[in-house]
Amino acid sequence: QSILTQPPSVSGAPGQGVTISCTGSSSNIGAGFGVHWYQHLPGTAPKLLILGDTNRASGVPDRFSGSKSGTSASLAITGLQAEDEADYYCQSYDTSLTGSVFGGGTRLIVL
Amino acid sequence: QVQLVESGGGVVQPGRSLRLSCATSRFSFSSYGMHWVRQAPGKGLEWLALIWSDGINKYYIDSVRGRFTISRDSSSNTVYLEMSSLRAEDTAVYFCARDFGSGTSSVLDHWGQGTLVTVSS
Repeated sequence: QSILTQPPSVSGAPGQGVTISCTGSSSNIGAGFGVHWYQHLPGTAPKLLILGDTNRASGVPDRFSGSKSGTSASLAITGLQAEDEADYYCQSYDTSLTGSVFGGGTRLIVL
Repeated sequence: QVQLVESGGGVVQPGRSLRLSCATSRFSFSSYGMHWVRQAPGKGLEWLALIWSDGINKYYIDSVRGRFTISRDSSSNTVYLEMSSLRAEDTAVYFCARDFGSGTSSVLDHWGQGTLVTVSS
């Protein structure tokens, strides 16, 4: 059970949009530490999507966007494509753990 | 482009040790911190350890502190994870990743493909 909480799964039809939430606490997201998002297809290397809450990594399409408010962050994906079907993870720093921490991960299903 | 290649995984008996390697290339290794992250079967990503570019500052998740040791060799641009007293719950794919930020602002911007460690008798 991660201290960053994500929904186990979200789904959407091609062309639609989805939002994945990442809920933390005052020892991580709420303390102002940056939130970063990764896309992971099984059997491959995870890929950095969003860094520092809102900044897209190099080469990431603008269909992906990040936001943060209080103790939570979100990843929004618009214009869903079949290739977006993957696992998505948020990551931040936690003062009580004195280290990085990942959310539990969210499986995106493109219907 | 940046390359990270893990090796050293395999099947190991409980209580034994194993050393993982992550060979890096195409970036200035001595300027970056490096992480190890794992994914157990059917589970999510779990951060394990970070070593700063100075090779001195090291941080671990509680569940591996005292059993796992992260180290680096700038002469070969390689980062290592020495794992001892292995348990069945250490069975996972182990990834190394480059640290774009540092410390509290760590961002893992490039990852390897992972190496599978299976702890079983």
